Amino acid sequence: DIVMTQSPDSLAVSLGERATISCKSSQSVLYISNNKNYLAWYQQKPGQPPKLLIYWASTRESGVPDRFSGSGSETDFTLTISGLQAEDVAVYYCQQYYSTPYTFGQGTKLEIK
Amino acid sequence: EVQLVESGGGLVQPGGSLRLSCAASGFTFSSYWIYWVRQAPGRGLVWVSRIDSDGSDTTYADSVKGRFTISRDNAKSTLYLQMNSLRAEDTALYFCARGASSWYAYFDYWGRGTVVTVSS
Repeated sequence: DIVMTQSPDSLAVSLGERATISCKSSQSVLYISNNKNYLAWYQQKPGQPPKLLIYWASTRESGVPDRFSGSGSETDFTLTISGLQAEDVAVYYCQQYYSTPYTFGQGTKLEIK
Repeated sequence: EVQLVESGGGLVQPGGSLRLSCAASGFTFSSYWIYWVRQAPGRGLVWVSRIDSDGSDTTYADSVKGRFTISRDNAKSTLYLQMNSLRAEDTALYFCARGASSWYAYFDYWGRGTVVTVSS
């Protein structure tokens, strides 16, 4: 199984500042034949289901504000939130869909400082 | 508007059974792979099972293999999860989620979930 490890577990950032969340996979999730990284990011607010933010490691889902961006390749990935807003308080998860079992990181709780 | 609505959760004793349903609307259900993902109280997300668009191909997490069965009725736009031999560790909020496209298991729409509690 591919193990996804996020860091940090929790993060407090001031409004308007940048938040950076790391996600590392235990093996590469880059599929050589199409040069795509099979990595997604989700946001989950309390009492709500997860919401897709980013797929293919860096493609923003329709309707997601452009302050959310994803980067990285193979085993190291980053979710960046530029200009943190109050509504961004949530738990963020990375997920690999390279192979079954599809696995998620343990989550990173983002709060306002 | 795409909607996924889970139902069928509840309190069940260890060793018991439960069948979850996920009613879909707002899209062509028969064209999409659908997934079950669960979340234990205060914990993270765990993928449980998937089914392809016509129901011919299914896959399970090792933790539920042999106990859970995923199925679908495309005529009713409904997904099911038959859960047998339930254990305390199956206690969770169960979400159904739509795969954004065939083969690519990132999830663009989620239901709000149904709670399963396994306890004596």
